[in-house]
Amino acid sequence: EVQLVESGGGLVQPGGSLRLSCAASGFTFDNYPMNWVRHPPGKGPEWVSLITATGAGTHYRHSVRGRFIISRDNSKNKLYLQMNSLRVEDTAVYYCAKGKEESTMRSAFDPWGQGTLVTVSS
Amino acid sequence: DIQMTQSPSTLYASIGDRVTITCRASQSVNSWLAWYQQKPGKAPKLLIYKASNLEGGVSSRFSGSGSGTEFTLTISSLQPEDLAIYYCQQFNTFPLTFGGGTKVEIK
Repeated sequence: EVQLVESGGGLVQPGGSLRLSCAASGFTFDNYPMNWVRHPPGKGPEWVSLITATGAGTHYRHSVRGRFIISRDNSKNKLYLQMNSLRVEDTAVYYCAKGKEESTMRSAFDPWGQGTLVTVSS
Repeated sequence: DIQMTQSPSTLYASIGDRVTITCRASQSVNSWLAWYQQKPGKAPKLLIYKASNLEGGVSSRFSGSGSGTEFTLTISSLQPEDLAIYYCQQFNTFPLTFGGGTKVEIK
């Protein structure tokens, strides 16, 4: 069974940093692209970032580019999101999500983890 | 960025009704579209990928159609367990974008 378990969320002041982790199991981790997706309160989901299966390629939404860094450790089956210069508008539940298809960035998200809450507030 | 617009935002229907949700893209996404179901307190679950492909294990009550800029999700006979919020998402072009959601409620 595919499992994705996020950790690292919490309360942080504006301008602060957090590092999210996602532990993956039940599939060949280094064959699949991985994503971070967030769900702000009262809004629809927002894709945040994607990393290719090898880690060689990354993509970001405009509002986090230059502040967030996605990375992966294929030897540990782990995905990360380093979030710097956090803003109030980054407040959301953050999910890691596996690309449904191997080795392609054009892939729906399946499955998603259970999410970790990030609250940016003074 | 490609804007995804869903309608309606809230849908009231009776058990057994046929339900249709529409998703429009601001430019063509070909068939690179997915539909997700989200229940309270849970992560979204993939229902349909590449516009019309039913994800394994998902009830055949659900179907998807469309291509280019116009897509629909249909529930053939609404069941109580289908009460949820439904989102469309395009994965044709970065940044990947979601619709605002359609909440399905019982009339």
